[in-house]
Amino acid sequence: DAGVIQSPRHEVTEMGQEVTLRCKPISGHDYLFWYRQTMMRGLELLIYFNNNVPIDDSGMPEDRFSAKMPNASFSTLKIQPSEPRDSAVYFCASSPFTGGPYNEQFFGPGTRLTVL
Amino acid sequence: QKEVEQDPGPLSVPEGAIVSLNCTYSNSAFQYFMWYRQYSRKGPELLMYTYSSGNKEDGRFTAQVDKSSKYISLFIRDSQPSDSATYLCAMSDNYGQNFVFGPGTRLSVLP
Repeated sequence: DAGVIQSPRHEVTEMGQEVTLRCKPISGHDYLFWYRQTMMRGLELLIYFNNNVPIDDSGMPEDRFSAKMPNASFSTLKIQPSEPRDSAVYFCASSPFTGGPYNEQFFGPGTRLTVL
Repeated sequence: QKEVEQDPGPLSVPEGAIVSLNCTYSNSAFQYFMWYRQYSRKGPELLMYTYSSGNKEDGRFTAQVDKSSKYISLFIRDSQPSDSATYLCAMSDNYGQNFVFGPGTRLSVLP
């Protein structure tokens, strides 16, 4: 299994531009998570999906952020317009449904976003 | 006060030392406690998880949870240079999916 795949790995853009981050979860996993990691705030959950349906988006910082999961094998996180304070590493993670309350999350390699 | 607190380090130890990493938390609803390891420029990967209070051992790693004190620990015995990484604690309630992560402790094991 290739694991969680994210693209691009690095993105440098200018303030005001639209940024789209992409994620392919592990096949068969029911949950998909988007996280943001910064030195100041650590790893923060932005949103998660169950079977392609957004369940909890309370971590999305503001309306400039949106996430979609059109099918079980693809999700996007979009920032429009981007701002310098959005600079961070964005991780996608997926987990299977095991029938219990705890399901291990498997993380992708991350997208390092720099907004100038 | 943050929901999960963790000393950011960095922590430097000589090879072979016993390492103790700790987190404190404030939410008594947390039932699942995880330790993730994150190498530089990589995503976190799960090391261990425990449910409720008690100890769990896996090779050189031991996780301890003391719910009465809202305190969890990860011990690494016979530490190796390959253990050099950032260690993140994470917690969730009985619903399981919404993990809250600590800020991470950066560990360096010197040969």
